[in-house]
Amino acid sequence: DAGITQSPRHKVTETGTPVTLRCHQTENHRYMYWYRQDPGHGLRLIHYSYGVKDTDKGEVSDGYSVSRSKTEDFLLTLESATSSQTSVYFCAISGRANYGYTFGSGTRLTVV
Amino acid sequence: GQQLNQSPQSMFIQEGEDVSMNCTSSSIFNTWLWYKQDPGEGPVLLIALYKAGELTSNGRLTAQFGITRKDSFLNISASIPSDVGIYFCAGRTQGGSEKLVFGKGTKLTVNP
Repeated sequence: DAGITQSPRHKVTETGTPVTLRCHQTENHRYMYWYRQDPGHGLRLIHYSYGVKDTDKGEVSDGYSVSRSKTEDFLLTLESATSSQTSVYFCAISGRANYGYTFGSGTRLTVV
Repeated sequence: GQQLNQSPQSMFIQEGEDVSMNCTSSSIFNTWLWYKQDPGEGPVLLIALYKAGELTSNGRLTAQFGITRKDSFLNISASIPSDVGIYFCAGRTQGGSEKLVFGKGTKLTVNP
């Protein structure tokens, strides 16, 4: 299996607090992605990265920011968590533009 | 943005039955992928298709890249209880970026 880990696996946080989720890969892949998964919506792209310090917005980027200072790490930050950001967050990596993605095991975030 | 229409949304079948699900789009795709997601885990790639008309098998799973390049289907033969999960189609449009477009998933339940 591809080396991709997400941390934490579960988190409960209070409304208004900042939260950072981490995605770490050992595959030296260029592309990294953050998705959220909600019932009825499938997988929705939040942000993605095509290299160190190169990131771009996905379809549901409001309220989220990302950083990639090293090839292996892609951080997702919720600036001020809201209840609508309660979701399961998945990180994915890809080595080539026309390949499929490899997903992490997900982070279940609950905002109370 | 691009959309994939995946159907059915859910299926309830008896062990041993065959299953068929499909994805369609109004856009032309040059890559089709099928993923399975087990409860509490991230999606895992099952089959990748890169040519129109391509038919690929992976054990009891068979997937095809439609001739029109606007659709794909996945068949599962002789279903077993461990086939339970959510199946996602994903694709990359012709001339599109490296980002994949995902269907909303088909939730499969297999009754023993």
